[in-house]
Amino acid sequence: EVQLLESGGALVQPGGSLRLSCVASGFTFNNYAMGWVRQAPGKGLEWVSDISGNGGNTFYADSVRGRFTISRDNSKNTLYLQMNSLRVEDTAVYYCAKEAGPGSYGHLEYWGQGTLVTVSS
Amino acid sequence: DVVLTQSPLSLPVTLGQPASISCRSSQSLVYSDGITYLTWFQQRPGQSPRRLIYKVSNRDSGVPDRFSGSGSGTDFTLKISRVEAEDVGVYYCMQGTRWPLTFGQGTRLEIK
Repeated sequence: EVQLLESGGALVQPGGSLRLSCVASGFTFNNYAMGWVRQAPGKGLEWVSDISGNGGNTFYADSVRGRFTISRDNSKNTLYLQMNSLRVEDTAVYYCAKEAGPGSYGHLEYWGQGTLVTVSS
Repeated sequence: DVVLTQSPLSLPVTLGQPASISCRSSQSLVYSDGITYLTWFQQRPGQSPRRLIYKVSNRDSGVPDRFSGSGSGTDFTLKISRVEAEDVGVYYCMQGTRWPLTFGQGTRLEIK
């Protein structure tokens, strides 16, 4: 059974940094691209970033490019999202999601339960 | 960016009746491999999104067959043949054909 468990969400001040983690189980992690999607309170879904199975290719939404960095440690079955220069508008639940193959994107076939990031002074 | 426009945004439905949600794209969603990467998700209250349909019309494992997807090019539809109480939630379409990945605004289905 595929399981994705996010952690690292917290209350942080504008301009601050945070690193989210997503531990995966139930599948061969390095065989699949992974992604992050966020949902602001009471709002819809917004794709944030994707990374290939070997970590060699990364993709970002314009709203986070240059501030957020996606990475993975395949030896630990863990996906990360390093978030710097956080803004109030980054406040959201952040979900990690499993893609359909190592270089296959835009499928988001399984999702974690999410972790809440609140950016506020 | 590809803009996905869903309608209606709110959908009150009587139990046992059909429901239909439209998702229109600002650009063709046919990829260079000939496949259309249009996906539907369901988000029940208080839960994470769950994928229902991928590549326009393929149902995910465990998804009841009362859910179906159809469409082509820029015009897509999610249909529920007979709405049940457990179908309450928000439904999103998403395109995976062009970067950045984009979602529709969501359609809230409620029981009338």
